[in-house]
Amino acid sequence: KAGVTQTPRYLIKTRGQQVTLSCSPISGHRSVSWYQQTPGQGLQFLFEYFSETQRNKGNFPGRFSGRQFSNSRSEMNVSTLELGDSALYLCASSLSQAVYNEQFFGPGTRLTVL
Amino acid sequence: KNEVEQSPQNLTAQEGEFITINCSYSVGISALHWLQQHPGGGIVSLFMLSSGKKKHGRLIATINIQEKHSSLHITASHPRDSAVYICAVTHTGNQFYFGTGTSLTVIP
Repeated sequence: KAGVTQTPRYLIKTRGQQVTLSCSPISGHRSVSWYQQTPGQGLQFLFEYFSETQRNKGNFPGRFSGRQFSNSRSEMNVSTLELGDSALYLCASSLSQAVYNEQFFGPGTRLTVL
Repeated sequence: KNEVEQSPQNLTAQEGEFITINCSYSVGISALHWLQQHPGGGIVSLFMLSSGKKKHGRLIATINIQEKHSSLHITASHPRDSAVYICAVTHTGNQFYFGTGTSLTVIP
C-alpha cells in the first residue's frame, strides 16, 4: 500500500506570492491533517479535513486555507507569503478523524520564502 | 506556557543503555501520541495511547492520566534509534499540541 505523498517536495517563493501544496493520503483514509514545523515554533497544527469538511483548525491566520476533494486528496494554500512562512509543511492521513486514530505522515514540503 | 513539556531536550546514550523520555501536559486529552522524526523530516507515529501501557519491540510507552504524564522507554538502545522523539496530545477540544521534542543520539 502506497504511503502518504506530498508534492512538491521543495518550493521557493518570494514574499507576497501565494502557494498551493498537495497531499495524497493512503488509500482508504478519509482524514487529512496539515502541520507546520519551524525551528522556532516546532510542530504546530494547521487544520484537519474529514470527508471534504474542515473539522478542526489551529491558531493560524486566514492566509492559510485548505480543502479536501471527494477522493480524499487535500490541498493547502498560503496567500500573501511572509518570510516567517518558511517551514516544513507536513500532512498526515488517518482512517477516520485524527483525534481517535493513528496518523501516517508524508515526507513534507519544504517551503522557503525569500 | 506550553501545553506539552518534554524532558530532556537532548540525550546522548551509549549503545545498549535503557532510555527514558518524559512528557507532561496541562490540558484535558483524548489521546497522547509519541512520534519519531529522523533527519530529513520524515515522521513516524510510534504509539497512540489514552491509558495504561503499550509495547512495540524495544519501545514501551506509559501514561498516567491522573498525573498528566507519559514516558517513552527504549530498552537496549541502538544507534538507529537516534532521532527526535516528539510527544503530542489531542485535546478534548480536538486541537493538537506538540512538545518541542527530545533529540536522542545513541553512540556505538
